[in-house]
Amino acid sequence: DAGVTQSPTHLIKTRGQQVTLRCSPKSGHDTVSWYQQALGQGPQFIFQYYEEEERQRGNFPDRFSGHQFPNYSSELNVNALLLGDSALYLCASSRRMVPNYNEQFFGPGTRLTVL
Amino acid sequence: AQSVSQHNHHVILSEAASLELGCNYSYGGTVNLFWYVQYPGQHLQLLLKYFSGDPLVKGIKGFEAEFIKSKFSFNLRKPSVQWSDTAEYFCAVSSSGNTGKLIFGQGTTLQVKP
Repeated sequence: DAGVTQSPTHLIKTRGQQVTLRCSPKSGHDTVSWYQQALGQGPQFIFQYYEEEERQRGNFPDRFSGHQFPNYSSELNVNALLLGDSALYLCASSRRMVPNYNEQFFGPGTRLTVL
Repeated sequence: AQSVSQHNHHVILSEAASLELGCNYSYGGTVNLFWYVQYPGQHLQLLLKYFSGDPLVKGIKGFEAEFIKSKFSFNLRKPSVQWSDTAEYFCAVSSSGNTGKLIFGQGTTLQVKP
């Protein structure tokens, strides 16, 4: 049973560029959440997708956007990259319909470096 | 706003020592509580979780945590650590019934000396 997968593993971009990160959820999961983990910090919630719509959003600017596809996979897009966007981006998947059971399974992350 | 505070940023222990990592959260409603671990070079893994019921929760690898509602705390414990427990530990909270948005603490780096 494949867990959460993310691509690419590493990415180097320059300021002002745009980036797209990808995530495939664990088998049987329908909800994808994205987190940003800066060096030495805990993950910070960016947003969550379910039924191809953004359902919740953390305190991130509109430069951060996403998408969920019918197969539940998801993309995170960041426009106009800033140096401060350098971080590990984590994808987590879960099953929404299990009552009060929101255990999230995390992928290995994509390390984004902005120069 | 919800927040999570982990008191110890870096802990160094010798093998067989006992471990307790502090976690306090700020939230007025019913919560779900989690401890995640990140071993070097690996992804975040769930150690244990509390949703309801017995406030003493047992997880994998001999870890346990106690939810003390009056203190808004969810401290992680292990009676005897091993070198393989060297990792970063994160406490996280979500509001009960919310199937998303985990709020994480800053993390505690645990280094176990053989």
